[in-house]
Amino acid sequence: AQSVTQLDSQVPVFEEAPVELRCNYSSSVSVYLFWYVQYPNQGLQLLLKYLSGSTLVESINGFEAEFNKSQTSFHLRKPSVHISDTAEYFCAVSDGGFGNEKLTFGTGTRLTIIP
Amino acid sequence: EAQVTQNPRYLITVTGKKLTVTCSQNMNHEYMSWYRQDPGLGLRQIYYSMNVEVTDKGDVPEGYKVSRKEKRNFPLILESPSPNQTSLYFCATSRITGGTRGYTFGSGTRLTVV
Repeated sequence: AQSVTQLDSQVPVFEEAPVELRCNYSSSVSVYLFWYVQYPNQGLQLLLKYLSGSTLVESINGFEAEFNKSQTSFHLRKPSVHISDTAEYFCAVSDGGFGNEKLTFGTGTRLTIIP
Repeated sequence: EAQVTQNPRYLITVTGKKLTVTCSQNMNHEYMSWYRQDPGLGLRQIYYSMNVEVTDKGDVPEGYKVSRKEKRNFPLILESPSPNQTSLYFCATSRITGGTRGYTFGSGTRLTVV
């Protein structure tokens, strides 16, 4: 069975500082990996995803994540955060394979930006 | 505009009073799913559906029912709600493409059972 561990439940960061949100997964087969963001009082939005190819994936708002198969990790990074990045971030994994659409989510990391 | 619509957004009900949370999508997605979100537990899958009349249990199905009579609709039914079903609920959809490319989520339904 697949699972996701987000090691930090809360991460406070000063504005314009870098941030890394950690995610480790376990799965017996090849995986697809995702980061979702949930802004206060909103639903979840897809931030970025790794399906295949380049192990470094980027979002349109400056976040990036690197798939590391040997360490079974998919950490999310941003070199300089803004107040608007305050949100909860969820890492998710899927085993892939035809018809296997289930996403398994981590417990989330609440990112708080300090002015 | 592609969207997943959930109703209601907020609901307060009493123990034992049957309720239905609706979910509708306009993207012709085959796969639909319900999750509940609880603090410290993340999102957990309740039920899912691969297509019309095809549904199956997720990780936490107890106390819930679903139906998929039409491709676009996937209602979540709580026949006898209890306080431990107080939670934030999300409907999610995707195409079946040989491995998920990620979900499109509804805006959520915050349910309180007193």
